[in-house]
Amino acid sequence: QQPVQSPQAVILREGEDAVINCSSSKALYSVHWYRQKHGEAPVFLMILLKGGEQKGHDKISASFNEKKQQSSLYLTASQLSYSGTYFCGTAGANNLFFGTGTRLTVIP
Amino acid sequence: NAGVTQTPKFQVLKTGQSMTLQCAQDMNHNSMYWYRQDPGMGLRLIYYSASEGTTDKGEVPNGYNVSRLNKREFSLRLESAAPSQTSVYFCASKWFMNTEAFFGQGTRLTVV
Repeated sequence: QQPVQSPQAVILREGEDAVINCSSSKALYSVHWYRQKHGEAPVFLMILLKGGEQKGHDKISASFNEKKQQSSLYLTASQLSYSGTYFCGTAGANNLFFGTGTRLTVIP
Repeated sequence: NAGVTQTPKFQVLKTGQSMTLQCAQDMNHNSMYWYRQDPGMGLRLIYYSASEGTTDKGEVPNGYNVSRLNKREFSLRLESAAPSQTSVYFCASKWFMNTEAFFGQGTRLTVV
């Protein structure tokens, strides 16, 4: 029931853009995105609800296509602080399943 | 506000020993979750509780039991620890379906 994320890892130079994809085989109520720094707990970035809405958080935005059961996270003009592992979470009525994560490294 | 508090932060067990990981939240959240995190495997859901008195299995429940003691507390018990249960365990909670989850700082468990 884990959603599938791609790519598994990506390395960017400061200022470059990246896209992280998340897909599920099950119908989704909502999609969550979290970021985890090394040795720390995951931290919430945003949640997307049905309706194909897009949300933004600074220069990080995301979209949700409920028909395709997919979501994408867009990081533009990446900063060093964006480094970490990004997880998408797919929520049913009460559960919350996370993907395997995408390790993002931003280098100067 | 402490948020989600997990104890202990680190633990080493011998194979066959038992222990209980504690989790408490002070945000009046309804739903609580236990995950394990292993390299390359992401966060895998062990058990969750939608409300006080209810618990449900997640993806990897074998070898674990849980108790939702009250609205604040959700504990995870390993009855007979195995080396395959060496992992980092995270507890999380949230208010209801379409709200953000808050995570505890994790418990690093090693079974030797």
